[in-house]
Amino acid sequence: KQEVTQIPAALSVPEGENLVLNCSFTDSAIYNLQWFRQDPGKGLTSLLLIQSSQREQTSGRLNASLDKSSGRSTLYIAASQPGDSATYLCAVGRYDGNKLVFGAGTILRVKS
Amino acid sequence: KAGVTQTPRYLIKTRGQQVTLSCSPISGHRSVSWYQQTPGQGLQFLFEYFSETQRNKGNFPGRFSGRQFSNSRSEMNVSTLELGDSALYLCASRAPGQGNYGYTFGSGTRLTVV
Repeated sequence: KQEVTQIPAALSVPEGENLVLNCSFTDSAIYNLQWFRQDPGKGLTSLLLIQSSQREQTSGRLNASLDKSSGRSTLYIAASQPGDSATYLCAVGRYDGNKLVFGAGTILRVKS
Repeated sequence: KAGVTQTPRYLIKTRGQQVTLSCSPISGHRSVSWYQQTPGQGLQFLFEYFSETQRNKGNFPGRFSGRQFSNSRSEMNVSTLELGDSALYLCASRAPGQGNYGYTFGSGTRLTVV
């Protein structure tokens, strides 16, 4: 059974810092991995999608990497801003990509 | 283009009642999935529909059911509501092409059972 773990559970940083969020999964037979952001009481906003054959994806200040063999992904946020404050969720798509298994999330607070 | 639309945004129901939630996917998306989010269990997969057929189902009791219509719109039904069914219910849709595309989520329906 696929299990996804996110570390740390919460993170508080001053504005401008670069930071790394970690995601690990137990079954390396994944189809893809997707990072989401969730603001309080809201739905999920997709940030980055990495296919199992890819090593990383970049969008603006965000960079996500994937090491399938070790069961790890990281989300790198450069020059953090208060608007980045949210919960960040990692989700792994199984072999057919048709079901996502989510981690518990990392609650990020960027202080101005 | 319009995103995934879920209605209603908020619902308050009494134990024992039933409820129906609606999801309209992005135009052209044929895969619709439902997830339940609670503080204790996080995000859990309920079921996935593709071309009006349930393709996958999570580990939820039979009180949770769904369907998809020919226009890809989907509904989720929960019968005999329990207090523990209080949650944010999220719907997601995806473009055709297996897992080559990521999921787009709606804003969710917040269900409170009293």
